[in-house]
Amino acid sequence: TQLLEQSPQFLSIQEGENLTVYCNSSSVFSSLQWYRQEPGEGPVLLVTVVTGGEVKKLKRLTFQFGDARKDSSLHITAAQPGDTGLYLCAGESGNKLVFGAGTILRVKS
Amino acid sequence: NAGVTQTPKFQVLKTGQSMTLQCAQDMNHEYMSWYRQDPGMGLRLIHYSVGAGITDQGEVPNGYNVSRSTTEDFPLRLLSAAPSQTSVYFCASSLLGVPGTTEAFFGQGTRLTVV
Repeated sequence: TQLLEQSPQFLSIQEGENLTVYCNSSSVFSSLQWYRQEPGEGPVLLVTVVTGGEVKKLKRLTFQFGDARKDSSLHITAAQPGDTGLYLCAGESGNKLVFGAGTILRVKS
Repeated sequence: NAGVTQTPKFQVLKTGQSMTLQCAQDMNHEYMSWYRQDPGMGLRLIHYSVGAGITDQGEVPNGYNVSRSTTEDFPLRLLSAAPSQTSVYFCASSLLGVPGTTEAFFGQGTRLTVV
């Protein structure tokens, strides 16, 4: 069974702080996706990284795919209350997506 | 554009009852899947389908059945509900293609409680 471990499980920070969420596995994935989920809604895709070592930026969010394509990180600069939510990483393997347990982020104003 | 539509949004069942969770997508996606989401465990794959007439088991298939008679619909059946099946269920669809192009579109979820 392929596993994706996310850390931390929960993060509570003040507005304006920076944070990093990690997604690690012993398995190689063809791509790594990051989703954001709000209460009562389904996850929504933020970004997909495909190439080992790839870095993608989405406004204040920076996503990195490890060189060996086994791990990824999400860095948020100057967090805002609107960033509050559950962040999920998902590894693509064949036609399946394997999800991590998620990181609950709470940004206080 | 409706995307992925799940019904019902909430459901309470008694132990032993059966029911079907409905899922429909209007994006002509080949791939559809069902997940359950439990606290601290992320999304776990129950069953998936790569096209009409083709289904396969995921990580946690026991107690659930699926069928795919059309591209649009992918219902999930609980055969005899158990309290362990209390969860939030998500249906998702995506295109099949090269790695990195399989963005999953999710429905809003069905919150199921089995008493």
